[in-house]
Amino acid sequence: AQSVAQPEDQVNVAEGNPLTVKCTYSVSGNPYLFWYVQYPNRGLQFLLKYITGDNLVKGSYGFEAEFNKSQTSFHLKKPSALVSDSALYFCALYSPSNTGKLIFGQGTTLQVKP
Amino acid sequence: EPEVTQTPSHQVTQMGQEVILHCVPISNHLYFYWYRQILGQKVEFLVSFYNNEISEKSEIFDDQFSVERPDGSNFTLKIRSTKLEDSAMYFCASRGPTYEQYFGPGTRLTVT
Repeated sequence: AQSVAQPEDQVNVAEGNPLTVKCTYSVSGNPYLFWYVQYPNRGLQFLLKYITGDNLVKGSYGFEAEFNKSQTSFHLKKPSALVSDSALYFCALYSPSNTGKLIFGQGTTLQVKP
Repeated sequence: EPEVTQTPSHQVTQMGQEVILHCVPISNHLYFYWYRQILGQKVEFLVSFYNNEISEKSEIFDDQFSVERPDGSNFTLKIRSTKLEDSAMYFCASRGPTYEQYFGPGTRLTVT
């Protein structure tokens, strides 16, 4: 069965420091992975995706993610956090069925303090 | 930039009543989805829709739920007889030829 896990409910970092939000996955076959961000009372915004190719993918707002097949991980990173990055982050796995539904992790709240 | 829109932003209804949630997907997208997020929980898949028919539905999507694309632009989710546990944020999403889905801002459904 396909699944996504985000082991941390909350991540706290100081502004200017690097941040990492962790995600691990389980899937048979090749994984297609995504990160979304949700600001309060807003919908989910697409940040980046890994489909194939380079293991380091770059996305919106300076975020990047590293795909690691051996560790079945897809951690979200940013070299220097901003207070405005504070939000709820979701990792998602594209189901290999024809419909392409997304399977989400439980979400990680990122708190960036000034 | 094209975006997915949803109306209303907040719907309050009494238990047993029917509700219809409205979505306008991005115009050239062909795949449409509904998800829900119960407060404090993760986003859950409800149903996918392609070529004017349901392509997959989850266990949550029972006979009380239905979807329609009545006019080629709108995409609706109907809950026939709402229950307290249907209270959640409902998100519509659409997808084009690439794999990422674009989400609307959501409709908060409160069942009293």
